[in-house]
Amino acid sequence: SQQGEEDPQALSIQEGENATMNCSYKTSINNLQWYRQNSGRGLVHLILIRSNEREKHSGRLRVTLDTSKKSSSLLITASRAADTASYFCATDADSWGKLQFGAGTQVVVTP
Amino acid sequence: NAGVTQTPKFQVLKTGQSMTLQCAQDMNHEYMSWYRQDPGMGLRLIHYSVGAGITDQGEVPNGYNVSRSTTEDFPLRLLSAAPSQTSVYFCASSYDITANSPLHFGNGTRLTVT
Repeated sequence: SQQGEEDPQALSIQEGENATMNCSYKTSINNLQWYRQNSGRGLVHLILIRSNEREKHSGRLRVTLDTSKKSSSLLITASRAADTASYFCATDADSWGKLQFGAGTQVVVTP
Repeated sequence: NAGVTQTPKFQVLKTGQSMTLQCAQDMNHEYMSWYRQDPGMGLRLIHYSVGAGITDQGEVPNGYNVSRSTTEDFPLRLLSAAPSQTSVYFCASSYDITANSPLHFGNGTRLTVT
């Protein structure tokens, strides 16, 4: 069963706009991670936020975590065509050896 | 630095055939894992290993075997392929999963079972 679920399933925006996607999970976690997957490639790690952190930044990425609501959001500011990809959240709720992924949000950024 | 290398990139099998998906990493990572990715279902963990000689089951282990004789290699074996095993398979490794080190993924093996 999936621990994390991303919302929306798909997102289409224009270059320069911001993209926001959300991840909800079911049980307590130690950390939550976000990954990006370009078409036909493996996943690439973007950012990790620990359960005692509320917000984290990395370049144009901003991640928030609300453990009371069991949810996280990923914001990509000033989107570029190169940001077109699927984005996945992953949690370690089950055990540290079993990272569980959601179904992903497919983002399309048009010039 | 090659990272995580998966071979082959594509494979077509007939039902009942067996094969091994290869995964090698050159980063001296202790943790390695196999996931399968199906449309609309994200990635599901098949098996994982926290070091040479140690393996454990993930969420969907049935129909797959693994072994970890070296730190570098973590092959995934399909003993008798079934159409339900048609999927994209990803191998991933991490320096220290307990220290929240991120996963490094290979580029996948696309498997079709007819």
